[in-house]
Amino acid sequence: NAGVTQTPKFQVLKTGQSMTLQCAQDMNHEYMSWYRQDPGMGLRLIHYSVGAGITDQGEVPNGYNVSRSTTEDFPLRLLSAAPSQTSVYFCASSPIAGRATDTQYFGPGTRLTVL
Amino acid sequence: KQEVTQIPAALSVPEGENLVLNCSFTDSAIYNLQWFRQDPGKGLTSLLLIQSSQREQTSGRLNASLDKSSGRSTLYIAASQPGDSATYLCAVTGGSYIPTFGRGTSLIVHP
Repeated sequence: NAGVTQTPKFQVLKTGQSMTLQCAQDMNHEYMSWYRQDPGMGLRLIHYSVGAGITDQGEVPNGYNVSRSTTEDFPLRLLSAAPSQTSVYFCASSPIAGRATDTQYFGPGTRLTVL
Repeated sequence: KQEVTQIPAALSVPEGENLVLNCSFTDSAIYNLQWFRQDPGKGLTSLLLIQSSQREQTSGRLNASLDKSSGRSTLYIAASQPGDSATYLCAVTGGSYIPTFGRGTSLIVHP
């Protein structure tokens, strides 16, 4: 298994541009999520999904959209990039939401800079 | 709202020391608690998961304990090595099934 994969690894955008961060997992996990990690702020949840066709907002959803058309893929869209969205973005998955025995698997991250 | 605090924020020790990293949380209604390791520029790797009904878990030189009633967990690292240098994060998952992360402890083990 490849686990959780993210593309691209690095991206530089100009203010106002849009883009999609890709996330895929090959473990048939139901639960997937997106986090951003900023110095001194820790990991903050952006959006999450408990299964195909179901998404919900996390702690910091503004400026981001998600969709979950398949179990495997959970793309994160930046609608109009702002410098405040400069961060490292992590995608994570786990087998079933809320099951006590399930650990989370993280992707390697996408480092995004918005100029 | 669940809040997770990790102390200390940073730690620098000589090789061979036994270490204790602390994690505290405000809401004891949790499903599980996980400890993760993050190397610079990398994603998070799960080290140990403790279910709410368990008191501790062990993996090699790592031992994690959980005291739900006091809202505390500790990660014990025995005989630390330079390869243990990384940031260690704890995360608790409760009724909303959304994990809440602490900000991590940055560990440096020098030879």
